[in-house]
Amino acid sequence: GQNIDQPTEMTATEGAIVQINCTYQTSGFNGLFWYQQHAGEAPTFLSYNVLDGLEEKGRFSSFLSRSKGYSYLLLKELQMKDSASYLCAVSLGNAGNMLTFGGGTRLMVKP
Amino acid sequence: EAQVTQNPRYLITVTGKKLTVTCSQNMNHEYMSWYRQDPGLGLRQIYYSMNVEVTDKGDVPEGYKVSRKEKRNFPLILESPSPNQTSLYFCASKYYNEQFFGPGTRLTVL
Repeated sequence: GQNIDQPTEMTATEGAIVQINCTYQTSGFNGLFWYQQHAGEAPTFLSYNVLDGLEEKGRFSSFLSRSKGYSYLLLKELQMKDSASYLCAVSLGNAGNMLTFGGGTRLMVKP
Repeated sequence: EAQVTQNPRYLITVTGKKLTVTCSQNMNHEYMSWYRQDPGLGLRQIYYSMNVEVTDKGDVPEGYKVSRKEKRNFPLILESPSPNQTSLYFCASKYYNEQFFGPGTRLTVL
């Protein structure tokens, strides 16, 4: 079966940096996604990694190590609006059409 | 505005009463998918479609049907809903690697 693990909850302070980890054990791998989901809303796309290394996009960066089955999402200069759930998802199948999600990490940003 | 729409947004029904949740996208995306989201279980894929008349099962297809007769629409059909299908449902379409999610449909089956 597929297994994607991420912490259930994290708390951080406004202006700080936080790293959300994701480990996966899946049969097949076509890439790893990070999504942000505010309470009561739909997930929105943050990043996609298919090769090892760091992808940076503004205040958000995502890292992937395929050999370790490991990824992290790094959020810098935290803002109150960053309080949300962060979902790690692995793309599977020949064309990456199946998407398996972790349980999500609920991040609370405090003043 | 580019978007994915779902209807209804909220639905309370009873066991065994057939229902359809509609999903429509205006971005001409070939790929569409349905997910359900439950506390502690995260998002789980129900069905996906690569293009018109091409559908395939995701992780949790039991109790659901889909159809893809037109590129823009991908309805989710529950022929005989049961209480364990009470959930938050999301439709999505994809362009390259980015999925665009609809606003969600909160379904309660009594």
